[in-house]
Amino acid sequence: AQSVAQPEDQVNVAEGNPLTVKCTYSVSGNPYLFWYVQYPNRGLQFLLKYITGDNLVKGSYGFEAEFNKSQTSFHLKKPSALVSDSALYFCAVRDHNAGNMLTFGGGTRLMVKP
Amino acid sequence: DAGVIQSPRHEVTEMGQEVTLRCKPISGHNSLFWYRQTMMRGLELLIYFNNNVPIDDSGMPEDRFSAKMPNASFSTLKIQPSEPRDSAVYFCASSLDSPGNYEQYFGPGTRLTVT
Repeated sequence: AQSVAQPEDQVNVAEGNPLTVKCTYSVSGNPYLFWYVQYPNRGLQFLLKYITGDNLVKGSYGFEAEFNKSQTSFHLKKPSALVSDSALYFCAVRDHNAGNMLTFGGGTRLMVKP
Repeated sequence: DAGVIQSPRHEVTEMGQEVTLRCKPISGHNSLFWYRQTMMRGLELLIYFNNNVPIDDSGMPEDRFSAKMPNASFSTLKIQPSEPRDSAVYFCASSLDSPGNYEQYFGPGTRLTVT
């Protein structure tokens, strides 16, 4: 079975500071990893993915994430937070041996304060 | 290109009524997913289709829920009869599901309120 953990319900950061939203996963095989963002009253929006290759992946809106196999983590990062980054962030995993379902974490609310 | 289209965007109905939610996936995508999101339970996968065939419906809460995908460009999620605990935001998502392209694209959701 595959699972995802987002240990923080909420992350608070000041505008201009770096941000990190944590994600750890568990799969039996090689993972495919994803980050999504959800703004109020909107659907989930795809940010970035790790399939294979370089452990540091870059995505939309200046976000990036680092795949760490030994720590089974895929933390989302951004060097300088914007107030407009405030939203709900979801990490998701797919085991490449387990069909095409994604397992989502519980979500982390990011609050960026001016 | 148009994204995933869902209708209606909002639905308010009385307990016991039938509710039908509609979804048009992104053209060319071969997988379609129905999710439900609530504050209490978060994001739950209800059912998914691959090439119009239901593959996993283990997330469907009970027999009151049913889903169909009669063709590659249309799917419905039906609740009959509806109950207040069905109130949630229902999302449809689609994916291409080819090597390197596994990400799902979500529609804007249907906010269902059952009174």
